[in-house]
Parts: sequence; C-alpha cells; structure tokens
Amino acid sequence: DTEVTQTPKHLVMGMTNKKSLKCEQHMGHRAMYWYKQKAKKPPELMFVYSYEKLSINESVPSRFSPECPNSSLLNLHLHALQPEDSALYLCASSPFTSGPYNEQFFGPGTRLTVL
Amino acid sequence: QKEVEQDPGPLSVPEGAIVSLNCTYSNSAFQYFMWYRQYSRKGPELLMYTYSSGNKEDGRFTAQVDKSSKYISLFIRDSQPSDSATYLCAMSQGSGTYKYIFGTGTRLKVLA
Repeated sequence: DTEVTQTPKHLVMGMTNKKSLKCEQHMGHRAMYWYKQKAKKPPELMFVYSYEKLSINESVPSRFSPECPNSSLLNLHLHALQPEDSALYLCASSPFTSGPYNEQFFGPGTRLTVL
Repeated sequence: QKEVEQDPGPLSVPEGAIVSLNCTYSNSAFQYFMWYRQYSRKGPELLMYTYSSGNKEDGRFTAQVDKSSKYISLFIRDSQPSDSATYLCAMSQGSGTYKYIFGTGTRLKVLA
C-alpha cells in the first residue's frame, strides 16, 4: 500500500459545527503532516507529527486541533471555523529516517466549505 | 523577496514539445529539491526528489539542480495533454521533518 487516504472528500459545515478530518497511511511512515491549500496557492504547513508527537505547529488557530492516535492515523478536529477557513486540507506522510530520502507523499485532500 | 520564486504561467505548449519549468531560490541552506504535479482539485503527486546539485532522470522527466546559481529545473520530454496540471517546486534544508518551502506553482497546458 503506497498511498495516503483522506476522508471525507468533501465537507460542508456551519460555523458552529464540530467536525473531523481523517488521514490514514499504511506505508510505515513515522511523520505525518496537515497542510491547508487555498485556490491557486501552494500548500501551507499547519502541523507536523513525528512518532505520534506534535513536533511543529505553525501558529495555527486553536479552532484547528490535530490528533495522532497511532502511527497510521492522523485527525484534524474542527470547531467554530470561519468562512475564510474554506480550503483544500491535505495530509502528507514521510518515512522520517536518518537517511536523505524523506520525501512527503500527499493524500487527495478534503475540500472544506464553511458556511 | 520570497524564498522560492516560480512563474505562475499559464504556460501553453503543443503536444510533443519539451517543457522547461523553473524555480529560483534565495536560501543557500536548501539541500533537498522536489517537484510535484497537481491536477485541479487533487492532492500534489511527487514527481522528482533530488539531493544537492546534479541531474536526475525518470522516464520523460529530468530534474536539474544548480546550487551555485540557486536555480532548479524540471524538463518534460514529449509532453502530452495529460501533463496539463500545476507543477509545484518545493525545497527543504534537511531531511526528517524539515519544513518544505513551496513555489507558487506553474500552470501548464499541453494542447493536442
């Protein structure tokens, strides 16, 4: 299995809703990432987990709450979002080895619309 | 000045042409250089991953890194309409979980 899967593919939520995005990989990778991508812009890093511990938080608002229950799963919990948070949310994973080959592989993304 | 500069395009070429996509950067600490292809409303797909300077070839794709000029290129030979996508360059200072710095992406259209 050489892919990163994300669910749901699309999500529409109101500003008072609570929802979660899910990401899964079975490549044995030990680093997982959340990115946010607006239309015609490059991905922006939000969070990085290495060995199930949060290692990087790019000053993301607390209405986004990441969770890494195990080495294969990554969640992003959403609460009280704003319309400007509408974007494509991408998950990625990388091996996190001591060698040079730690390329990041991306999932297909969840397209989020906040009304 | 942005750390990574990439012409947004769009770049339109006829089918079968050789395509050259480029990025320049300002941070001499970058050591790892990646090219991703992203189709509309999909996640980025890793095409090439190179370490330090030199060339790397994979099928119709060739990646070049010139660290002395802080310039990287992706060449696509015998371009096909299916190559129409946005191409993102990305760079990082190290391996592990070093942050990727992305270019803005170049939109490529290959005309049949």
